[in-house]
Amino acid sequence: DTEVTQTPKHLVMGMTNKKSLKCEQHMGHRAMYWYKQKAKKPPELMFVYSYEKLSINESVPSRFSPECPNSSLLNLHLHALQPEDSALYLCASRYEGQGPGEQYFGPGTRLTVT
Amino acid sequence: SQQGEEDPQALSIQEGENATMNCSYKTSINNLQWYRQNSGRGLVHLILIRSNEREKHSGRLRVTLDTSKKSSSLLITASRAADTASYFCATAGKHSGAGSYQLTFGKGTKLSVIP
Repeated sequence: DTEVTQTPKHLVMGMTNKKSLKCEQHMGHRAMYWYKQKAKKPPELMFVYSYEKLSINESVPSRFSPECPNSSLLNLHLHALQPEDSALYLCASRYEGQGPGEQYFGPGTRLTVT
Repeated sequence: SQQGEEDPQALSIQEGENATMNCSYKTSINNLQWYRQNSGRGLVHLILIRSNEREKHSGRLRVTLDTSKKSSSLLITASRAADTASYFCATAGKHSGAGSYQLTFGKGTKLSVIP
């Protein structure tokens, strides 16, 4: 199984809502990533988990809260988002071995904040 | 920042022609990777070239790396309509202050292959 799955595919939420994005992989990868991608822009790194521990937080606002409950799952909890947070949220995973290899991406969650 | 910069930003070619995309970056790297993204979907890894390699092939793809010029190129030969997508280069290096590696993506080239 070389797939990264993300749910939901689409999400519309109001600025006062709380929602969560979910990412799952069963490739035994121990590095997992959240990216944010605005239209016609490259993905921007948000968070990195390495062996279930938060390794990198790229100064992301606290209204985004990541969680890695186990080695296969990655969540992104959303609260009090702003319309400018509307974007495609991509999850990726990578084998945490010797050096930076390829990342496997999920199909993304298209988030719209109203 | 070691962000890659691709050029051209957009490229339109006829089916069967070759497509060349270029990428420049700013700092030292461990490797450079190319990804493809179909409209609004996830990225797919195409090819990885290490900093001590100069050229690599995979099917219809050919990647070159010139570390002295901090640049790379991706050549897609005999293009097909299905190659229509955005292509991103990504440089891999250690994140400052952390032990983990991260990818920094360039701005991307949007390729359109006309049947």
